Amino acid sequence: QKEVEQDPGPLSVPEGAIVSLNCTYSNSAFQYFMWYRQYSRKGPELLMYTYSSGNKEDGRFTAQVDKSSKYISLFIRDSQPSDSATYLCAMSSGGNAGNMLTFGGGTRLMVKP
Amino acid sequence: DTAVSQTPKYLVTQMGNDKSIKCEQNLGHDTMYWYKQDSKKFLKIMFSYNNKELIINETVPNRFSPKSPDKAHLNLHINSLELGDSAVYFCASSRSRHGYTFGSGTRLTVV
Repeated sequence: QKEVEQDPGPLSVPEGAIVSLNCTYSNSAFQYFMWYRQYSRKGPELLMYTYSSGNKEDGRFTAQVDKSSKYISLFIRDSQPSDSATYLCAMSSGGNAGNMLTFGGGTRLMVKP
Repeated sequence: DTAVSQTPKYLVTQMGNDKSIKCEQNLGHDTMYWYKQDSKKFLKIMFSYNNKELIINETVPNRFSPKSPDKAHLNLHINSLELGDSAVYFCASSRSRHGYTFGSGTRLTVV
């Protein structure tokens, strides 16, 4: 079993829909949680960064962390075709292990016009 | 004005060869990394390095070695390339516990 599990999709939604992306994890030491967006043949780019439990909002994006359930989510409101990409969750314990991130396998999202 | 740049973008080489991938960051970050992304998009840490400490993922074969001439550069050298080394390799950098900035990747194909 992987440390971080993420449904690979693909997830196909119509333009304007609310998208919910999720990850579960097993390592209770994780404290820092991130979402990255990766377009085809490009490097991942950081979308959201949260520490510990709670919600964080940035424009159309909302990240939620529930450490008690070891579950994190990314919501995208009013989804656009330009949101079509692979979304990767990532997390770290932030300790002395060089801040190495553990990634989920990514969910491929397709937003249709 | 690229933040994390890697070269080359594409690399095709034969089994048994030795190759290097270069990475440079101009963000002033203190830590650099190498990740491998397989065909299923799974990103796996290979190395984490700052000017004090190299941390190696124990699953990485010792044919892979990072070389850092200075804080802004972390190159990846691979000896005796194998077919299973074919993947996309990403360099990244970060400052303390903040999120990473990734390069655009090097697509390595071993034939």
